[in-house]
Amino acid sequence: AQTVTQSQPEMSVQEAETVTLSCTYDTSENNYYLFWYKQPPSRQMILVIRQEAYKQQNATENRFSVNFQKAAKSFSLKISDSQLGDTAMYFCAFISSGTYKYIFGTGTRLKVLA
Amino acid sequence: IAGITQAPTSQILAAGRRMTLRCTQDMRHNAMYWYRQDLGLGLRLIHYSNTAGTTGKGEVPDGYSVSRANTDDFPLTLASAVPSQTSVYFCASSVVLASYNEQFFGPGTRLTVL
Repeated sequence: AQTVTQSQPEMSVQEAETVTLSCTYDTSENNYYLFWYKQPPSRQMILVIRQEAYKQQNATENRFSVNFQKAAKSFSLKISDSQLGDTAMYFCAFISSGTYKYIFGTGTRLKVLA
Repeated sequence: IAGITQAPTSQILAAGRRMTLRCTQDMRHNAMYWYRQDLGLGLRLIHYSNTAGTTGKGEVPDGYSVSRANTDDFPLTLASAVPSQTSVYFCASSVVLASYNEQFFGPGTRLTVL
């Protein structure tokens, strides 16, 4: 069975600094997708970034980038120039190609300090 | 309406009572989902719907039922609530039931069963 592990329950970072959230997953599949979702205090989940497993190039969305290591089954999220609005719970999620069911990690609560 | 709405925002319910959580989307998405979010467990899929008229069971379907009479609405019913169903419930939708699609989430319903 696929699993997603986020080993950092809580993290904090100073405003304008860079922080990396870790995520590892376990699967025997070769084709899949990985996601990072953000859940701010308002509770509404928002997609931050998506990575297709068949792409070697790491995905980037403005200040957010990933370090995708397929062999190591690692998918970390780097937030550069952290802003107060980045304070949220961050969930890593995995989904096999051809299926519909996300497997979510347990989340990392990130607090950006002024 | 913009995106996905859920009602109620929160509810306290006596055990044994019947409760329907409402979910409406205006994006004409074919696929819809219900998740529950529990501390330390991330999000778990309860039920999903590929298109109007079809539904399927997710990871934790017991005690819940859904219907999909039209494209926009996807209510979740607890026939006889139990305290273990205390959770935050999220409705989500995607263009189609496919792994690469981003899921759009509603703001959630916090349900407490006493």
